[in-house]
Amino acid sequence: GAVVSQHPSWVICKSGTSVKIECRSLDFQATTMFWYRQFPKQSLMLMATSNEGSKATYEQGVEKDKFLINHASLTLSTLTVTSAHPEDSSFYICSAPGETQETQYFGPGTRLLVL
Amino acid sequence: LAKTTQPISMDSYEGQEVNITCSHNNIATNDYITWYQQFPSQGPRFIIQGYKTKVTNEVASLFIPADRKSSTLSLPRVSLSDTAVYYCLVGDTGRRALTFGSGTRLQVQP
Repeated sequence: GAVVSQHPSWVICKSGTSVKIECRSLDFQATTMFWYRQFPKQSLMLMATSNEGSKATYEQGVEKDKFLINHASLTLSTLTVTSAHPEDSSFYICSAPGETQETQYFGPGTRLLVL
Repeated sequence: LAKTTQPISMDSYEGQEVNITCSHNNIATNDYITWYQQFPSQGPRFIIQGYKTKVTNEVASLFIPADRKSSTLSLPRVSLSDTAVYYCLVGDTGRRALTFGSGTRLQVQP
């Protein structure tokens, strides 16, 4: 089946620094990718929709200047958490629609810890 | 996506069959029913999808009554490795962003 990878799998950074998370579709093209955030013991919450070649669309309450999304190619979307703070510590997950258009494929997630 | 309701948690023992029911009263005619599994610190994994009646794959079965207002995920002979959160989603779950409910936290004990 289709595979979506994320890098890094975990990252620890100091408050105020920026962190980039990559999401790649390994064996298929994805013009659209989705970014989710998940806090402990909670469900996934959609942050934004990443569109290849155009601006991302953000969900209400998600700061677009803080969570920069770039979908530069048909297989890569990046999420940059700028000026990270401890409250940004979370599990970030991306997904991409599969070729069959019946389901989506999720990356393994990236654990971010901001100290 | 249609709103779904499922139990917050369930407990089972190894070797038992587990049935998790999801209510989706406002399901639309074109909506599919999809179940995902999520282990701690991992992304969700597709389990099964159906439109009506019964669907079975190597992992689970999905039972959907004629009115499609609910569905039941059936896991045969669960093992400890089936301990996870199971999410029921309804809608055009392929191309659009997914709205996850609270899911059902299944705990399998020896």
